[in-house]
Amino acid sequence: ETGVTQTPRHLVMGMTNKKSLKCEQHLGHNAMYWYKQSAKKPLELMFVYNFKEQTENNSVPSRFSPECPNSSHLFLHLHTLQPEDSALYLCASSQGQSSPYNEQFFGPGTRLTVL
Amino acid sequence: RKEVEQDPGPFNVPEGATVAFNCTYSNSASQSFFWYRQDCRKEPKLLMSVYSSGNEDGRFTAQLNRASQYISLLIRDSKLSDSATYLCVVNKAAGNKLTFGGGTRVLVKP
Repeated sequence: ETGVTQTPRHLVMGMTNKKSLKCEQHLGHNAMYWYKQSAKKPLELMFVYNFKEQTENNSVPSRFSPECPNSSHLFLHLHTLQPEDSALYLCASSQGQSSPYNEQFFGPGTRLTVL
Repeated sequence: RKEVEQDPGPFNVPEGATVAFNCTYSNSASQSFFWYRQDCRKEPKLLMSVYSSGNEDGRFTAQLNRASQYISLLIRDSKLSDSATYLCVVNKAAGNKLTFGGGTRVLVKP
C-alpha cells in the first residue's frame, strides 16, 4: 500500500545463523533507511543510503551489514546476532536528502526473533 | 535527557472530545518537525508536518514553539479510528536523519 515492501515479515533465527532482510521501494525515491524498533523504545535510525551510497551508520554493531545495490533495493545482512537484537526492523524511503521536509515512507517491517 | 520526549500515555479520550499533547526536543538547531501515527503492530505513517506558523489538517492542529522547544498536537472531535500511538519526530539537520520520540498512546472510547 505504501509502495515499500519488506520480506520476510517474520523471522526466527538462532544466534549462529546468517539471514538477510530485504526491502524494495516502488516510489522512485533516492534515499533508503533502516530503523530498529525494540519493545518500549523509540525507533532508532541504523543506516542511511542516498543514491546507493551509505551516508549514515549510527554506530551499529558489525553483525548488521547493510547493502544497497541500487536506489530501489536495500538489504540488511544478519550474522551471529544476540537475543537483544530481537525487534521490528523497518525500512523507509524518501525522495532524497535535499529537503528536511521530505516525507519518509515506511515498509511494514520484519519482526525478528533471535533465540 | 532524551533528544525527543513524549508522555507515553495512554490518553483515554471519550469519542467526540478534544485531546492535546506535547513533545519536547533538546536540540535547538533542529530543522523540521513531524507527527507520525503508528497503529498497533503496523508501520509509522506521516500524519502531518509541523511548520513554524502552526498548521491544521481537518481535525488535527499542530503547533511549534521554538523558544520553548516543544511541539503540540491537538485532535478535535475524536473518532474511534484516532486510537493509535502518535510519534513526535524531529529532523536535526539536513540529510533527513529523523529522531523519534517514544510515542503517545491515545485510546478513544465510545
